[in-house]
Amino acid sequence: NAGVTQTPKFQVLKTGQSMTLQCAQDMNHNSMYWYRQDPGMGLRLIYYSASEGTTDKGEVPNGYNVSRLNKREFSLRLESAAPSQTSVYFCASRGLADYNEQFFGPGTRLTVL
Amino acid sequence: DQQVKQNSPSLSVQEGRISILNCDYTNSMFDYFLWYKKYPAEGPTFLISISSIKDKNEDGRFTVFLNKSAKHLSLHIVPSQPGDSAVYFCAASGPDQGAQKLVFGQGTRLTINP
Repeated sequence: NAGVTQTPKFQVLKTGQSMTLQCAQDMNHNSMYWYRQDPGMGLRLIYYSASEGTTDKGEVPNGYNVSRLNKREFSLRLESAAPSQTSVYFCASRGLADYNEQFFGPGTRLTVL
Repeated sequence: DQQVKQNSPSLSVQEGRISILNCDYTNSMFDYFLWYKKYPAEGPTFLISISSIKDKNEDGRFTVFLNKSAKHLSLHIVPSQPGDSAVYFCAASGPDQGAQKLVFGQGTRLTINP
């Protein structure tokens, strides 16, 4: 039981390049979330998927897109990376029985030059 | 507009003493509060939570207190141990049709000194 996994762990991009961050969970959770963490800012919600087949914007969605591929997988895409998107990205998931408790992956550290 | 605030970026405590981490919120619709702990290069892990119908919840060395009238919660760690050195985030959620989105504070870095 791996919990929430994220790939890659590290990535360096040049401005304008695109990439997809992958997230998968093996806990049969319904809801999945993408956050970014920046110094002094805590974690901010980018997008979330309350259930398979639905996605919604969070607090800071600009410059990102998401896909809930199936119940297990939730990917985050940067179409044209900007230096302001340099951050640590965390994926999380939550089951119906877990009132508000979200389980986090280990994170992806992204640098955009 | 920071709805959840942790005004102390860092806190240093002697091993064996009590650590008190504080968190304030502004949204009166928040009805559930959580604390997460984060070590470097790892994802946050859930520590303890409290519903707005309670004013205290205890789990071993960790106790969370909620003062709804002051919109303030605190996490007490007694006794503090070196392994408690980490960044602590408080988070809050409110009624949102099942999405259960969390709003996080900025975090407090706790250092336990031997």
